Amino acid sequence: KNEVEQSPQNLTAQEGEFITINCSYSVGISALHWLQQHPGGGIVSLFMLSSGKKKHGRLIATINIQEKHSSLHITASHPRDSAVYICAVDETSGSRLTFGEGTQLTVNP
Amino acid sequence: ETGVTQSPTHLIKTRGQQVTLRCSSQSGHNTVSWYQQALGQGPQFIFQYYREEENGRGNFPPRFSGLQFPNYSSELNVNALELDDSALYLCASRGQGISYGYTFGSGTRLTVV
Repeated sequence: KNEVEQSPQNLTAQEGEFITINCSYSVGISALHWLQQHPGGGIVSLFMLSSGKKKHGRLIATINIQEKHSSLHITASHPRDSAVYICAVDETSGSRLTFGEGTQLTVNP
Repeated sequence: ETGVTQSPTHLIKTRGQQVTLRCSSQSGHNTVSWYQQALGQGPQFIFQYYREEENGRGNFPPRFSGLQFPNYSSELNVNALELDDSALYLCASRGQGISYGYTFGSGTRLTVV
């Protein structure tokens, strides 16, 4: 079992739909990151969370530390949101970032 | 404020050869970490450097080694390349303290034939 699990692995949506990607983790963490990776490979950091909720434009990220669970929401999805979304955690046990396998999101016009 | 730059962007090597990948960290960032991402998978942590010292290592053999320089740029060296080393290699930098997020480079695509 991976230390960081994401669901779903693949997600196809129609433009305008509300999207939720989930992340569960089994290790102690100091922070959780949501990242976006486009086909070229480069990774962009979307959010870093240690508690509560953050919002940036149409993106919202929440974390529940007690339940070891985080969600990334995209409101009014657009084809340009199509990418791989990755959840990663800063483990308290060491100086490392542990990643989930990613969620491939495709938004159709 | 500059981002993280990795070079080269693409590389083809023969099994058994050695390779050096380079990463320049974002201005003001003193911590650099390296990751290997196989096709269709999430990145895997290789190691991290803080002020020129390795301060964390993932489950990679000793033929994966690194350096961090006084200007906080970094190198990843892989000896005795194997076919399974074919992957995207990502570098990320962050500032001092856990409150800083990561800035990632665009990666180096290594193909071992």
